[in-house]
Amino acid sequence: RKEVEQDPGPFNVPEGATVAFNCTYSNSASQSFFWYRQDCRKEPKLLMSVYSSGNEDGRFTAQLNRASQYISLLIRDSKLSDSATYLCALPRPTLGRLYFGRGTQLTVWP
Amino acid sequence: DGGITQSPKYLFRKEGQNVTLSCEQNLNHDAMYWYRQDPGQGLRLIYYSQIVNDFQKGDIAEGYSVSREKKESFPLTVTSAQKNPTAFYLCASSTILGPEIDEQFFGPGTRLTVL
Repeated sequence: RKEVEQDPGPFNVPEGATVAFNCTYSNSASQSFFWYRQDCRKEPKLLMSVYSSGNEDGRFTAQLNRASQYISLLIRDSKLSDSATYLCALPRPTLGRLYFGRGTQLTVWP
Repeated sequence: DGGITQSPKYLFRKEGQNVTLSCEQNLNHDAMYWYRQDPGQGLRLIYYSQIVNDFQKGDIAEGYSVSREKKESFPLTVTSAQKNPTAFYLCASSTILGPEIDEQFFGPGTRLTVL
């Protein structure tokens, strides 16, 4: 089983919609996680860092569900500029590395 | 400005040639990482290093080699043994917060095409 599983999508939503992505993980020791945004042919850029059960930043909410072992990213009031690929990343401190999901592609249409 | 630089942005090589990709950071980060990304795929870890003169294999180290002689630099060599080297290569760095793993910051990447 992979360390992190992420639905690749694509998700196609209209402007103003609410959309949510999930990542499931297999290692229950993760205390923190990260969401990255990657635009086409660019490097990933950090969107949110979460060091407890959740974090909210404007239209973006990230949550961690330890019982079911998944993390989620909720985007409210989607904008055209939100179109990108969103990657989740979970740390394995004992190994000194992150495990990335394969990314979920989002397209917001007018 | 602090950041991570990778050069060149685009690189073309003939099959059978070794090629070295550069990665430099001035963020004073201890840890550095190399990832490979193929079209429509996620990031796969090649090698990583948490301290100078030490590095660990990631998930797809075969056909690659690295060195970490300076804290700021972590070059990656793609050898002729790598069967499918054409890909987007991303370098990243992060601080080490005791037992925790901090977020990673990425360079702009190098697109390698082997002809």
